[in-house]
Amino acid sequence: TQLLEQSPQFLSIQEGENLTVYCNSSSVFSSLQWYRQEPGEGPVLLVTVVTGGEVKKLKRLTFQFGDARKDSSLHITAAQPGDTGLYLCAGAKASYDKVIFGPGTSLSVIP
Amino acid sequence: NAGVTQTPKFRVLKTGQSMTLLCAQDMNHEYMYWYRQDPGMGLRLIHYSVGEGTTAKGEVPDGYNVSRLKKQNFLLGLESAAPSQTSVYFCASSRTDYGYTFGSGTRLTVV
Repeated sequence: TQLLEQSPQFLSIQEGENLTVYCNSSSVFSSLQWYRQEPGEGPVLLVTVVTGGEVKKLKRLTFQFGDARKDSSLHITAAQPGDTGLYLCAGAKASYDKVIFGPGTSLSVIP
Repeated sequence: NAGVTQTPKFRVLKTGQSMTLLCAQDMNHEYMYWYRQDPGMGLRLIHYSVGEGTTAKGEVPDGYNVSRLKKQNFLLGLESAAPSQTSVYFCASSRTDYGYTFGSGTRLTVV
């Protein structure tokens, strides 16, 4: 049983489209992280959110932490081929606790 | 700016052979982790360390051993490799739970 669920599992879109991917859990997390992993490489940290309701923006990427700190979303505006990759969310249930990773959303942006 | 370096990058082992995967970080991070990544299973924690000389079991520790004799190095050992240990292995380090830095991975095949 996955503690963190991610949806959709796979997503293929055309360049220029907008998209949202989701990370959900029945547990409360003290912090939640988003990573992007490209083929043949390790995950790279995009953002960490720690406050319920928090919204962070990273260029065309917008991250939101749910008010109850059980879920998060990642919205990409005007997707580009360079956004292609596996998007992983990871949560820590307490400060200094090891994080738990979700299974990921595989995004393909077609030129 | 090396970050986290993993060696080797690729390895093929015969069933029953042993090997050691090396992880080195130059960021003075206290925490280090070993994960394996398998299709459909996401990243699963094998062992981790919260400081020099300490190690602890993660989610899937069986068949693996680790050592952290120096703060910058975290070694993962397979004493008697099995085909079920075919995977991509990632090492990561962190200063807190606010974000991990990953290496580029070791692709291990056990035949």
